[in-house]
Amino acid sequence: GQQLNQSPQSMFIQEGEDVSMNCTSSSIFNTWLWYKQDPGEGPVLLIALYKAGELTSNGRLTAQFGITRKDSFLNISASIPSDVGIYFCAGRASGTYKYIFGTGTRLKVLA
Amino acid sequence: DGGITQSPKYLFRKEGQNVTLSCEQNLNHDAMYWYRQDPGQGLRLIYYSQIVNDFQKGDIAEGYSVSREKKESFPLTVTSAQKNPTAFYLCASSLGQVRSTGELFFGEGSRLTVL
Repeated sequence: GQQLNQSPQSMFIQEGEDVSMNCTSSSIFNTWLWYKQDPGEGPVLLIALYKAGELTSNGRLTAQFGITRKDSFLNISASIPSDVGIYFCAGRASGTYKYIFGTGTRLKVLA
Repeated sequence: DGGITQSPKYLFRKEGQNVTLSCEQNLNHDAMYWYRQDPGQGLRLIYYSQIVNDFQKGDIAEGYSVSREKKESFPLTVTSAQKNPTAFYLCASSLGQVRSTGELFFGEGSRLTVL
């Protein structure tokens, strides 16, 4: 099945640094979702995007729906140790119930 | 509290046995989903259901079966035909397309280990 290209696969950063990750698709989506997953837990929804060009924030998190509708970006500002986890993107095309997921970005924050 | 409840959290199975994972939601969502997650990998869709008494195969349905007799419930059976069933299983739900905001919510997951 289709999976989205998500990058980077993993990253180590220093506490206080900003983080950026992105997802790209070969298909056009009308919904982009970003999740964080802690070990042994279900993914938690961070941000939902519904319009091309839309920029949405949730605390230190900011996500954007790409203009081409084939990509999305997530930024985390001033990272803290509890930001550690796996971040997933997911997209859904118009006229379908199916969500396609990215392969995940594993974030590790060094205090 | 509104949410999605999966049980059991951990399950051990002997080879050749069928097991059923429970998923219940009280969000009044029409659509429900089952995903499989293997270590270090993303989520792969097993089955999804848009409405009661209807469901569709996802990308990796072989060796699995589901039912959707009630709106709140979408149990997943891992049959003995599934060759590599050890994995983390996630249930999810969304409002459904007609009145959807597009948001997909997950349960806490069930970890199945085959001995």
